[in-house]
Amino acid sequence: GENVEQHPSTLSVQEGDSAVIKCTYSDSASNYFPWYKQELGKRPQLIIDIRSNVGEKKDQRIAVTLNKTAKHFSLHITETQPEDSAVYFCAASDQGAQKLVFGQGTRLTINP
Amino acid sequence: ETGVTQSPTHLIKTRGQQVTLRCSSQSGHNTVSWYQQALGQGPQFIFQYYREEENGRGNFPPRFSGLQFPNYSSELNVNALELDDSALYLCASSFGGTVPYEQYFGPGTRLTVT
Repeated sequence: GENVEQHPSTLSVQEGDSAVIKCTYSDSASNYFPWYKQELGKRPQLIIDIRSNVGEKKDQRIAVTLNKTAKHFSLHITETQPEDSAVYFCAASDQGAQKLVFGQGTRLTINP
Repeated sequence: ETGVTQSPTHLIKTRGQQVTLRCSSQSGHNTVSWYQQALGQGPQFIFQYYREEENGRGNFPPRFSGLQFPNYSSELNVNALELDDSALYLCASSFGGTVPYEQYFGPGTRLTVT
C-alpha cells in the first residue's frame, strides 16, 4: 500500500522568511496530494491540493510542487506570519480509492 | 467552517465497553471517511462509506465497524474497547466518485479509554 514520508518533523523560521516541507510517496498510482494545517485542538484544515496532471499550484503565499518522476511533493510558504504556526500534514490518494494516507506531520513555528 | 459536525466532542469509556461516534456530512457530499489520530501523529484511515456502502478499509480490526444513512450521515462503532483506542476520531466528508475529491474534516471526537 501507499506510504508517505514527511520531512522535517519540526521547522522553525523567522517571521517573513520562507518555509518548505517535503513529502515522498511510494505508490506511482497516487494522483491527488492535499496539504492540511492543524492548529492545536482543532480539525485538520485543507489549505491547498494538487493533482498528478499539474506540476505546481499557488494560492497567495502558499504553493505546492509535484515531481511525479521522483514521487515527491513540497509545500512552500512565503512571507511567513505568526498565524502560520501549526502542524502541517501532507497526504496522498490514489484514483478510485479515496482514502488519504498521511505523512507524520511537520510542526512549524514562526518566530517573531 | 466546513459544515461537517461530529458528536460527542469528548468521551470517556472503560476497557471492554462499546462506543458509537456520529458524523454529519457537509451538504452535497455523499461520502464519509473515518480516521483515527493518535497524539502527535497523522490521521490513519479506518474506512470510508460511499452511498451507504463501505468503500475501502484500512488496517483496523473488525471490532471497528460503521454505517452510513440515507442522508449520508455516518456512525463509527468500536466494540471491546482497548486502551490503545484512545485517540481523536475524525470524520471527513467529500463528494465521492472515481476521481478523488477534497475531504473536509469535522472537529473530531476525543475518546479516552481507561
